[in-house]
Amino acid sequence: EADIYQTPRYLVIGTGKKITLECSQTMGHDKMYWYQQDPGMELHLIHYSYGVNSTEKGDLSSESTVSRIRTEHFPLTLESARPSHTSQYLCASSDDITGELFFGEGSRLTVL
Amino acid sequence: TQLLEQSPQFLSIQEGENLTVYCNSSSVFSSLQWYRQEPGEGPVLLVTVVTGGEVKKLKRLTFQFGDARKDSSLHITAAQPGDTGLYLCAGALMAAGNKLTFGGGTRVLVKP
Repeated sequence: EADIYQTPRYLVIGTGKKITLECSQTMGHDKMYWYQQDPGMELHLIHYSYGVNSTEKGDLSSESTVSRIRTEHFPLTLESARPSHTSQYLCASSDDITGELFFGEGSRLTVL
Repeated sequence: TQLLEQSPQFLSIQEGENLTVYCNSSSVFSSLQWYRQEPGEGPVLLVTVVTGGEVKKLKRLTFQFGDARKDSSLHITAAQPGDTGLYLCAGALMAAGNKLTFGGGTRVLVKP
């Protein structure tokens, strides 16, 4: 069982609110990722980090930002949420040797 | 156009039937992974294939990596309702420092 946790699992908020999605892993992985996924659809990489103080934008442009102050923690923030941000956000970390991605259970965000 | 094309996008079969999901690209991958995602959960790794022509079996699932390392297939024998889910292939792209790229996914529904 993967040791990667996301909170909240579900969030319903109004337009303009600031939100932070939390992601923590206890596996000591250097590489962490945020994916955006509409239900049953493909994964889109929006942010990744290869270590502390390292963050990069992914393939899909996103208005969210991330930080990596500690190895185990990779939060994602939306300063002003909009209905177009409604989606599921999946956090993952990867094993450096095998390349296997370990995913959290996801945070399903609905912006009204 | 996606780097990794999965087909079909959706597959509905009866319990006991066989199915094959394909993952194709014009690019060469150093390795390719298959994940299964159930509703409300994050994807979970099924297998990683590394060598061109490699075949791996996981109970009723058979995974094959193409000789040229550009394509892969997943074959399920005697499918069961528990096989229902979203199947995702992900390739580590040699030309991009082994960055992982996901296919669009295949939704499989196995009806009892």
